[in-house]
Amino acid sequence: SQKIEQNSEALNIQEGKTATLTCNYTNYSPAYLQWYRQDPGRGPVFLLLIRENEKEKRKERLKVTFDTTLKQSLFHITASQPADSATYLCALPSYGNNRLAFGKGNQVVVIP
Amino acid sequence: KAGVTQTPRYLIKTRGQQVTLSCSPISGHRSVSWYQQTPGQGLQFLFEYFSETQRNKGNFPGRFSGRQFSNSRSEMNVSTLELGDSALYLCASSLAGSEGGYTFGSGTRLTVV
Repeated sequence: SQKIEQNSEALNIQEGKTATLTCNYTNYSPAYLQWYRQDPGRGPVFLLLIRENEKEKRKERLKVTFDTTLKQSLFHITASQPADSATYLCALPSYGNNRLAFGKGNQVVVIP
Repeated sequence: KAGVTQTPRYLIKTRGQQVTLSCSPISGHRSVSWYQQTPGQGLQFLFEYFSETQRNKGNFPGRFSGRQFSNSRSEMNVSTLELGDSALYLCASSLAGSEGGYTFGSGTRLTVV
């Protein structure tokens, strides 16, 4: 079955710097990959989708890359702000069906 | 437009009881998926409904069931509650599937004592 790995250790980063998170997956290569943000006690919020034929996608201060050879996606927050502190989850469709499988998430703490 | 509404927000139940959680998706969205989130396991897929039919099912015991009504509202039911069922239950709606991204509700925090 599909395995999705995100760093379990929180990323502490100084305000203004770039935060980079990694999402690695095993087995089959999905047609797309998504990133979500989750704040404590709330549901995840959809941020970005990147397709397998796209190397990079940007949205405001967010940038996502997708390397199907390495089976890896990188998620960057540039010029990070304390309001960016949250847990970020990557998600991709399971093989053969539409259901979305999530990584366990990577917490980001932006220090003022 | 209104987001995904889940009720109740918090629930405390005793072992052995049963519980029903409700989810109202975004207007026009026909797909509703349910997830269980715990600190140790993260988000685990329960099931997905589309136009009143269960389209996908996760690896949960038969105590977990769900349904979807003609107005796309969905309910999930857990019978014979166990302590391990304590979790945040999240409902996600989308137009037809996961490709466009999910809109999640704020979840129902279930505590089993």
